[in-house]
Amino acid sequence: DAKTTQPTSMDCAEGRAANLPCNHSTISGNEYVYWYRQIHSQGPQYIIHGLKNNETNEMASLIITEDRKSSTLILPHATLRDTAVYYCIVRSDFDTGANSKLTFGKGITLSVRP
Amino acid sequence: EAQVTQNPRYLITVTGKKLTVTCSQNMNHEYMSWYRQDPGLGLRQIYYSMNVEVTDKGDVPEGYKVSRKEKRNFPLILESPSPNQTSLYFCASSLFGTGAYEQYFGPGTRLTVT
Repeated sequence: DAKTTQPTSMDCAEGRAANLPCNHSTISGNEYVYWYRQIHSQGPQYIIHGLKNNETNEMASLIITEDRKSSTLILPHATLRDTAVYYCIVRSDFDTGANSKLTFGKGITLSVRP
Repeated sequence: EAQVTQNPRYLITVTGKKLTVTCSQNMNHEYMSWYRQDPGLGLRQIYYSMNVEVTDKGDVPEGYKVSRKEKRNFPLILESPSPNQTSLYFCASSLFGTGAYEQYFGPGTRLTVT
């Protein structure tokens, strides 16, 4: 997997948008950007992924820059339940077998305050 | 509801007493995997399976066994648990046998070996 860098932590007010940045300057052409989150000691949860176009689902939006070297996960209306560690990873659909494992870095801790 | 289930959720046992942690998914996923998560070490893959009767070692397979006799089930077996296997365990599944695309995680099993 290509290396990603994320800030260590950030916070936002409940009801406001949370914008979580991720840098992946060495991403290759066939690698997707994935976001997962882990609420304390619960199972990691898939959020969204994208290749180069912006993506939106019921949980979040993913904005990928045109050069694909960075991206932003947007939680449009953060709630207290969104407090978690968010992991940005890049991986290719060709990462099969032993390379299919997920490797999380340190992630960014999002704290949503009332 | 589409989900990955694990049982038990919490287990305290003694060294050497064989145990099995069950994992089941109801999404007809081909790929299943076991991870352990330890403070400061992140997620580490123990074993994975790309389909029925197809299993392979991950990064930390020592002391563990798995089987995949049915598509939906992927039990993790500790034949002779030791204290260094005290950890938080997660089962995950993915639609395709390659493990590509998003992976869905169970709620976790917290194991303590004394």
